[in-house]
Amino acid sequence: RKEVEQDPGPFNVPEGATVAFNCTYSNSASQSFFWYRQDCRKEPKLLMSVYSSGNEDGRFTAQLNRASQYISLLIRDSKLSDSATYLCVVSKVNNNDMRFGAGTRLTVKP
Amino acid sequence: EAGVTQSPTHLIKTRGQQATLRCSPISGHTSVYWYQQALGLGLQFLLWYDEGEERNRGNFPPRFSGRQFPNYSSELNVNALELEDSALYLCASSLLAGGTDTQYFGPGTRLTVL
Repeated sequence: RKEVEQDPGPFNVPEGATVAFNCTYSNSASQSFFWYRQDCRKEPKLLMSVYSSGNEDGRFTAQLNRASQYISLLIRDSKLSDSATYLCVVSKVNNNDMRFGAGTRLTVKP
Repeated sequence: EAGVTQSPTHLIKTRGQQATLRCSPISGHTSVYWYQQALGLGLQFLLWYDEGEERNRGNFPPRFSGRQFPNYSSELNVNALELEDSALYLCASSLLAGGTDTQYFGPGTRLTVL
């Protein structure tokens, strides 16, 4: 079993749609959680960190459920520019052994 | 402010050769990380350097090695190249050592082994 598993995708949605990505992790010692975004043939860039209480940044909302070892990312009012691969990332504090999911590809269409 | 830089952009080698990849972190960042992203696969953690020392390594054979220089730049060396080493190699840096700090990625070096 992979340490970090994500929805396989791809997700093809129309502009304005709401889309949710799920991610599960197997290591209960994981302490830090992130969503990164990677555009085609580009490097990953941090989208947002994920906190226990859940957090929101504009149209993006991240949730963490430690009991179920589950992370989610919700994108509201999708834009064409949201088209990318979204990577779920977990790590243990002071270890820096960041484990990346394989990514979920999102395509937002006009 | 300049981001993480990597060189070369592309590298073509033949099986059995050695490859050297270079990374310069964001100014002020002391931690450097290396990842491998093979086609269709997620990023795999390779190595973490902080203050000139190797702090952690992923599940890769010893022919993957590296070092960090006093100016915090880093080198990744891959010896005895194999075809399956063909991948995008990404370097990232962070200001603080620790999993809670944001890692900023460079554009990567695309290594092709023929």
